[in-house]
Amino acid sequence: DTEVTQTPKHLVMGMTNKKSLKCEQHMGHRAMYWYKQKAKKPPELMFVYSYEKLSINESVPSRFSPECPNSSLLNLHLHALQPEDSALYLCASSLGTSGGKRTGELFFGEGSRLTVL
Amino acid sequence: GNSVTQMEGPVTLSEEAFLTINCTYTATGYPSLFWYVQYPGEGLQLLLKATKADDKGSNKGFEATYRKETTSFHLEKGSVQVSDSAVYFCALSTNAGKSTFGDGTTLTVKP
Repeated sequence: DTEVTQTPKHLVMGMTNKKSLKCEQHMGHRAMYWYKQKAKKPPELMFVYSYEKLSINESVPSRFSPECPNSSLLNLHLHALQPEDSALYLCASSLGTSGGKRTGELFFGEGSRLTVL
Repeated sequence: GNSVTQMEGPVTLSEEAFLTINCTYTATGYPSLFWYVQYPGEGLQLLLKATKADDKGSNKGFEATYRKETTSFHLEKGSVQVSDSAVYFCALSTNAGKSTFGDGTTLTVKP
């Protein structure tokens, strides 16, 4: 299984709603990521979890709240979003650092396209 | 900091034409280099990679060589197909675990 699965594929929410994006991988990867991608732009890193601990937060507003319940699952909780948060949200995973071995190849899901009204 | 610069797009080619997309990078240490491809409506997928100088990555007819002396990782394909139409991202990764992406190059191949 070499897939990263994201749900839902599409989400429309109002500015007062609370919703969650979900991501799952069963490749044994120990690093998981959330990226935000606007149209015709490269992905922008939001959060990195390494061995189920938050290791990088790229100064993301608190209306985005990540959670890593276990090594296979990654959630992104959304609350009080703004229309400018509308984007494609990509989850990715990688092997992670193991005994000094250099890794870095990212495996991406197909993304959750979020529209905030 | 690290950075990746890709040739500006978009690029439009006829089927069976030769493709080159230039990519240069700035990084401390010895990064791994990648090309990712994003088809319409999909996430990114790894196209090819190289982890040390002079390595050549190849996949689906695409090739790129890690050139440390010119800090480059140009993507090439000898004969493109309509199905190669997509956005191509050059990227690097360091031991710190963060990836740096170029701005992306949109390729359109016409029959």
